[in-house]
Amino acid sequence: QAVVTQEPSLTVSPGGTVTLTCGSSSGAVTSGHYPYWFQQKPGQAPRTLIFDTTYKHSWTPARFSGSLLGGKAALTLSGAQPEDEAEYYCLLSYNGARPWVFGGGTKLTVL
Amino acid sequence: QLQLVESGGGVVQPGGSLRLSCAASGFTFSNCGMHWVRQAPGKGLEWVAFIHSDGSDKSYADSVKGRFTISRDNSKNTLYLQINSLRAEDTAVYYCAKKWGSNPVAAQVDHWGRGTLVTVSS
Repeated sequence: QAVVTQEPSLTVSPGGTVTLTCGSSSGAVTSGHYPYWFQQKPGQAPRTLIFDTTYKHSWTPARFSGSLLGGKAALTLSGAQPEDEAEYYCLLSYNGARPWVFGGGTKLTVL
Repeated sequence: QLQLVESGGGVVQPGGSLRLSCAASGFTFSNCGMHWVRQAPGKGLEWVAFIHSDGSDKSYADSVKGRFTISRDNSKNTLYLQINSLRAEDTAVYYCAKKWGSNPVAAQVDHWGRGTLVTVSS
């Protein structure tokens, strides 16, 4: 059973750029894992930001982008805003008995 | 306006049972697969279960297999999660989430409910 790994915490300055990553213990993350990224603020339900590696929903701010980077899925925030301070979770899809696995989350601080 | 509203949470003793519901509106429920995802207090998200749009295919996380049952009633636009043999580690907020496509591998989660809290305690 694969384990999905994320940085526990990251800090970015207002207006700065930060990249969060999402790795898999089973090997390189590819587009076939259909990486998803979710944002969750305290006391709120998660919100889907990125699907299928790079695609954005209509509500996803343009400053967020998804990619594959060095064998991992990546979420890049360019021009961080105070309201971007949140927990970010990735989700990978595995074709098997345990099909969907979340990463442990990255707590992003904008400071 | 699309809405997912969970209910049925509460305090239950270890070994007890609950049935969670997720009432859907604002979209064609019968065309969409649905997920349950949970989050223990102060912890991360954990995928729990999935059901196909017509109920023909179901998947479960290993941690709940044999104890949890996902089902749906498309005539009532409602998703269910029957949770039995509850353990302390099942204490969590349970979210329902909508699947937007038909790719059998991708999670395709777009909208989430606000969640319902299940507390397992004696």
